[in-house]
Order: sequence, then structure tokens, then C-alpha cells
Amino acid sequence: QKEVEQNSGPLSVPEGAIASLNCTYSDRGSQSFFWYRQYSGKSPELIMFIYSNGDKEDGRFTAQLNKASQYVSLLIRDSQPSDSATYLCAVNEMNTGFQKLVFGTGTRLLVSP
Amino acid sequence: ETGVTQTPRHLVMGMTNKKSLKCEQHLGHNAMYWYKQSAKKPLELMFVYNFKEQTENNSVPSRFSPECPNSSHLFLHLHTLQPEDSALYLCASSQESDTIYFGEGSWLTVV
Repeated sequence: QKEVEQNSGPLSVPEGAIASLNCTYSDRGSQSFFWYRQYSGKSPELIMFIYSNGDKEDGRFTAQLNKASQYVSLLIRDSQPSDSATYLCAVNEMNTGFQKLVFGTGTRLLVSP
Repeated sequence: ETGVTQTPRHLVMGMTNKKSLKCEQHLGHNAMYWYKQSAKKPLELMFVYNFKEQTENNSVPSRFSPECPNSSHLFLHLHTLQPEDSALYLCASSQESDTIYFGEGSWLTVV
């Protein structure tokens, strides 16, 4: 059973701080990794994806991937109250023709003003 | 506004009812998906259609029946559901194995 593990939280950080969200996965053959943000009562929204070991930065967001340790993380710099949401980690099994994502249960982030 | 539209957004149905969820994507994608999201559980992939052919069916009970008449439309037909089927049902689409885009979801309550 392929699994993606996340701490459910909530992770509480003050406004302006760095929020660090972590995710581990069980399938060593996983090729691509995604972070989705989901506000309460809304659908998931893609924030970032990463394929290669190392860091990938996009604005205030940085995704980090370590395939040897089978973990992927998301850093949010200068956290804002509007970042308060559940962050879903997803891992894609190698496939052709469509994406077969395995999701974690998500980490709830609370950013206090 | 999302490129993936789902209707209805909210549905309450009895266990003996038959209803359908509808999804339409305006992104020109060739793969469409149904996911189920229950409280405290990860998103679960139910069905995948690729080029209108069903390519994935994750042991979903037969009371859920998908239909994909063309690459832009996807239905989920529901009949004799159970209260534990109450959940958020998310439609999504992608261009082959590229990024998945979700619709806003249909909240289903079975009473």
C-alpha cells in the first residue's frame, strides 16, 4: 500500500514567520511531488510541484525534495493570515496517459496576526 | 473561475434515491477524474477516464457508476447510497500526465 504521511497539525505560526510543512512517502519509485492548498469548504489548489532533488522556489514558497530520505517539504516565508489552510502533499506514481496521485491527509496551518 | 465546473454544488439524497453528479471541463484536457474526500481521510481516487476510456477503477462499490460521454464531460451516477458515502466529491482533469486541476466539488449528504 503506497502511503503519504503528513502531520495533521494544526501548525500555528505568527504572521511573518516561516512555516515548514513536511511529508514522507513510501514508494521509492515515485517521480513527481505536489503541494496543494485547500481552504475550508473549497477544492484543492496547486501551489507547487517538484521533480528533482533539491529546492525549488516560487515567490514565498519553497519546495524541497530528498528522494534518498523519501521526504518532501514546503516552506512558506513571511507567512500571512491568508495562508491559513490545509496543505496537501501528493505523490505521483509513474504512469502514462494520466496522473495517479496519492494524497496525504494534509497539515492544517494557522497563521495568527 | 475554475476551468472545471461541477453541478450540483450541494446534494442531499435518501438512500433509495438515484441522482447524478455532473462535471464539465473547459481546458481541452483528455483525462478526467473522480475523487472522494471524507473527513479525516486522504483524497481517494475513484475513477479515471483517459481519451474517454476508463483506465482506473479503485475498487469502488457498484452503487457509484461513472459515465464519460466525451472528453469534456464526466458524470457520477449514484444509487442506493449509504450514509458513509456522504463526502465531498471532486472532479478533476489533466492533459495526460500533466498537472491535475480540480473543480469546486459537490458536497453530498446521504440521509
